Amino acid sequence: DAKTTQPPSMDCAEGRAANLPCNHSTISGNEYVYWYRQIHSQGPQYIIHGLKNNETNEMASLIITEDRKSSTLILPHATLRDTAVYYCIVKRSGSNTGKLIFGQGTTLQVKP
Amino acid sequence: DAGITQSPRHKVTETGTPVTLRCHQTENHRYMYWYRQDPGHGLRLIHYSYGVKDTDKGEVSDGYSVSRSKTEDFLLTLESATSSQTSVYFCAISETGAQGSYEQYFGPGTRLTVT
Repeated sequence: DAKTTQPPSMDCAEGRAANLPCNHSTISGNEYVYWYRQIHSQGPQYIIHGLKNNETNEMASLIITEDRKSSTLILPHATLRDTAVYYCIVKRSGSNTGKLIFGQGTTLQVKP
Repeated sequence: DAGITQSPRHKVTETGTPVTLRCHQTENHRYMYWYRQDPGHGLRLIHYSYGVKDTDKGEVSDGYSVSRSKTEDFLLTLESATSSQTSVYFCAISETGAQGSYEQYFGPGTRLTVT
């Protein structure tokens, strides 16, 4: 599975869009990009995933560049409850185990 | 939220005693996982299961064993607890999605302290 690089921390003003980048320059064609987050003391929470097209759900949008070497998670109107560590993970599809390897992630601090 | 419970939620035990943590799911998902989380190390996979009685080691499996006798339950056992196993333990489940994707859903965690 490809390695990912994320900034260690970011700040965002409440009500503004939070744009969290992830670099995955060695991604291969059958690897998905997944985003999870972990709010303090809770279990990680699945947010969204994508292969090559942009994706949107009730929580966030995922923008993947055309060459698939990077992606951005967008929280359109960040709230204080979105303060968390965000993990970008690349995972090959069709694996018979579904194991995920979590890196250090980006700590997003949403400020009033 | 996915139906995943962990028990106990908190436990304090003494070095050398056996400890079993339980993960229970109501989603009928095939895959189940045990992770531990420690400051400075993030989440690390201990063991996982890809079906009843089918389990395999993760990256930090030494000192741990697992069992899965039915789809809904995945047990993690510390045969003889040590202080280095003080941690927060998370269980997760997943199922094969469309086109081979996987989304994992996590339980609330068990905080284990070994004194």
